[in-house]
Amino acid sequence: AQSVTQLGSHVSVSEGALVLLRCNYSSSVPPYLFWYVQYPNQGLQLLLKYTTGATLVKGINGFEAEFKKSETSFHLTKPSAHMSDAAEYFCAVSGGGTSYGKLTFGQGTILTVHP
Amino acid sequence: NAGVTQTPKFQVLKTGQSMTLQCAQDMNHEYMSWYRQDPGMGLRLIHYSVGAGITDQGEVPNGYNVSRSTTEDFPLRLLSAAPSQTSVYFCASSYSITPPVENTQYFGPGTRLTVL
Repeated sequence: AQSVTQLGSHVSVSEGALVLLRCNYSSSVPPYLFWYVQYPNQGLQLLLKYTTGATLVKGINGFEAEFKKSETSFHLTKPSAHMSDAAEYFCAVSGGGTSYGKLTFGQGTILTVHP
Repeated sequence: NAGVTQTPKFQVLKTGQSMTLQCAQDMNHEYMSWYRQDPGMGLRLIHYSVGAGITDQGEVPNGYNVSRSTTEDFPLRLLSAAPSQTSVYFCASSYSITPPVENTQYFGPGTRLTVL
């Protein structure tokens, strides 16, 4: 079984401030981890993913995430927030074997960016 | 490539009515899936398919049917709509479900369904 917990359903930052969105997972097998972004009234767009190898993953729009196995975490960061980053962000996990193709999502974090 | 397409974008049904949400992809992806999105609950897997003729249940399958007669299409059927099925529905596809081949899922734009 696999699960994802996103800490904080709403995060608010000022433009130019650090963005930190927290994600913890549980998985009985080595996980594949994803961050997706959803802009209002749109579908989900992949930001970045971790499969194997380097634990620091860089994605689009200046976002990055670090896989920490010991902490079962995959937090998303961006050094300097921009107004266009306002959206909902989802962390997701898939496992190996029969779980490889199935994504389990966290409940989402809404990011608000203030001028 | 159009990617993953969904129709309709919006739909209003009365309780007990039936309808089919359409999903198509032109990327020759093996794996297709349907999710529903509800506030504060993220996305939950309804049904999925690992190839033409093969489907299976996800986390919340009750009230929904699927079939996959071609690689490209994966329709979702609501047999008798209920207010609890009011949600936003997303279809997704990925190239493969077998590691180490790429398993990133690509999402359609969604269908917003209201059941009165």
